[in-house]
Formats: sequence, structure tokens, C-alpha cells
Amino acid sequence: DAMVIQNPRYQVTQFGKPVTLSCSQTLNHNVMYWYQQKSSQAPKLLFHYYDKDFNNEADTPDNFQSRRPNTSFCFLDIRSPGLGDAAMYLCATSRDTYEQYFGPGTRLTVT
Amino acid sequence: ILNVEQSPQSLHVQEGDSTNFTCSFPSSNFYALHWYRWETAKSPEALFVMTLNGDEKKKGRISATLNTKEGYSYLYIKGSQPEDSATYLCAFTSGTYKYIFGTGTRLKVLA
Repeated sequence: DAMVIQNPRYQVTQFGKPVTLSCSQTLNHNVMYWYQQKSSQAPKLLFHYYDKDFNNEADTPDNFQSRRPNTSFCFLDIRSPGLGDAAMYLCATSRDTYEQYFGPGTRLTVT
Repeated sequence: ILNVEQSPQSLHVQEGDSTNFTCSFPSSNFYALHWYRWETAKSPEALFVMTLNGDEKKKGRISATLNTKEGYSYLYIKGSQPEDSATYLCAFTSGTYKYIFGTGTRLKVLA
């Protein structure tokens, strides 16, 4: 049974066209994370929510925003995607600082 | 700048061989070291969360050790099987919900 679901698995968007990636969880975990992974690189944390508290990493571009309307859902909004934003986007959840549970990722292509 | 290094980047082993990889991380402000296995087209899956210097954890044929004083962890796979083929990621945290991942070790087990 899927516990962290990401939709869509593949997303193609045009340069500059806003795009939203979604993540949902059935684990009732209090922490949700968004990571960006570019080819052959380490997953890089963009931001996380501790309950409703949003925590942005200092080097996350302003182009990236997030929403968490309730415990189960979290969204990643890219306001004006550039070619450099093409990547795999991973959502993860955890109960406090215990192990993270990941979704399968959304691969974003920017044309 | 905090950095997590994994080596080797990739390796091929024959079925039945035992193998090990290394994760190097900052030795200061240590809180936990996570190991994940990421099979192609699937979600990264937590293997171990290691917190204490000298920790040894085991799950089936896979085990891990931790040395927080010198900043490294080893992951061992005994008697590798084709189903062990995956990318193995480690992630360091100082307990602030910021996880710094390595680039992973890509393992291919040849039948």
C-alpha cells in the first residue's frame, strides 16, 4: 500500500509556465520534506514543514514555494520554471527525526 | 559547508560476493546518520538510522557500522544477490530536520 504518493510521476512544463507538484501521505507524519535531485547529484533539501511551520533552506530560490493545507498534503509550486529546474523532485515524511518515508518522485522536464 | 561523501560512486559485483561502501560525514554536531536503498523506479527505502558511536545494525544480509568521532559509516552486504542492485544513499543530520545526502553508491549485482 502506497504511503507517500506523488503526482504526477512525470511532468512536462514549458519554460516560465507555473507548475505544481503534489504529495500526499497516509502515515499521519508531522514532518514533510521536498528534495530536488539533479542527475548524478545528491538529493538537496528545498524546505520542510514541521506541522504547519514552514522552514525554507537558505539557498532555495524564491521561485520555489510550498503549501501544506493539512497534515496529509503538501504541494511544491515552481512559479517560473527555468531549464535548470529540470530534476527529480522527491517528497518525504517523517515522525519527528525518525527515518524518512519517500514517495517515488516526480521527474520534471522543462521545455 | 557541510559535506557528505560516499564511495565508491558505483560498483559491480558477482552474485554471492560480499561488498561494502563508505559514507563520510562531518564529525561535529552529529545527531544521526541514515542509510537508504533506492531501487530504480521505486521510492527510496530506509535501511538504518544510526545515532550512537559504535552502533552496529543489521537487517538480513545488510549491516552497518558507525564511527561518529572520525565521521564515517560502513554499509556491508553479505552474499550479494541481484535484488540488492540499487543505489545506496546515506544522509547526515545534526537534528534540525536538515538532512544532507551523499550522491550515493550505485550497486549492480551480476547473476
